[in-house]
Amino acid sequence: KAGVTQTPRYLIKTRGQQVTLSCSPISGHRSVSWYQQTPGQGLQFLFEYFSETQRNKGNFPGRFSGRQFSNSRSEMNVSTLELGDSALYLCASSLPGNTDTQYFGPGTRLTVL
Amino acid sequence: AQKVTQAQTEISVVEKEDVTLDCVYETRDTTYYLFWYKQPPSGELVFLIRRNSFDEQNEISGRYSWNFQKSTSSFNFTITASQVVDSAVYFCALNLGGTGGTSYGKLTFGQGTILTVHP
Repeated sequence: KAGVTQTPRYLIKTRGQQVTLSCSPISGHRSVSWYQQTPGQGLQFLFEYFSETQRNKGNFPGRFSGRQFSNSRSEMNVSTLELGDSALYLCASSLPGNTDTQYFGPGTRLTVL
Repeated sequence: AQKVTQAQTEISVVEKEDVTLDCVYETRDTTYYLFWYKQPPSGELVFLIRRNSFDEQNEISGRYSWNFQKSTSSFNFTITASQVVDSAVYFCALNLGGTGGTSYGKLTFGQGTILTVHP
């Protein structure tokens, strides 16, 4: 079974731009969570989607948003990029239970110049 | 609010040494789930183990073993006879059980322990 895939793997943007990251979950997994990983703050939860609905959200500004499609694929969007948004963005998928094991993708490395 | 602490920032060992990675968690919930993940240089988090709060049995899987103690809120991870391929960042994480809400899909991670195994 194929794992979680994320595209693109690397991205370079400039301040003020916006960016969209994509995540395709493991087949049969309907829950998708997003995390931001930085050297200073570590791994932080962004949000979780299930059945095209956001069920949970972390403490991030409104510039960070996401959505999920009917095939469970998910996208996250960051608008008006700031230097501090440079990070590894990780997506994880799991079966629908709220405590099921999350399986992670390889991440998207975003650099904001 | 829940919290996970991995006090060891970096550990360096020589191959074949045993090494224990510490994890201490905080939560007021009685139902919760603990995880260990490994992050090699490639960046992907690799799932290692999951343990729920009602199961304090220790577990051994090959060279890996886990010691879960609710009395001390600890979930420590031991690698026996370490190998160079074990070099990675290891994360302990907590997920709350219950009926959802703020627990949906949210893992709270520790800061990670960088393990370097020298040949």
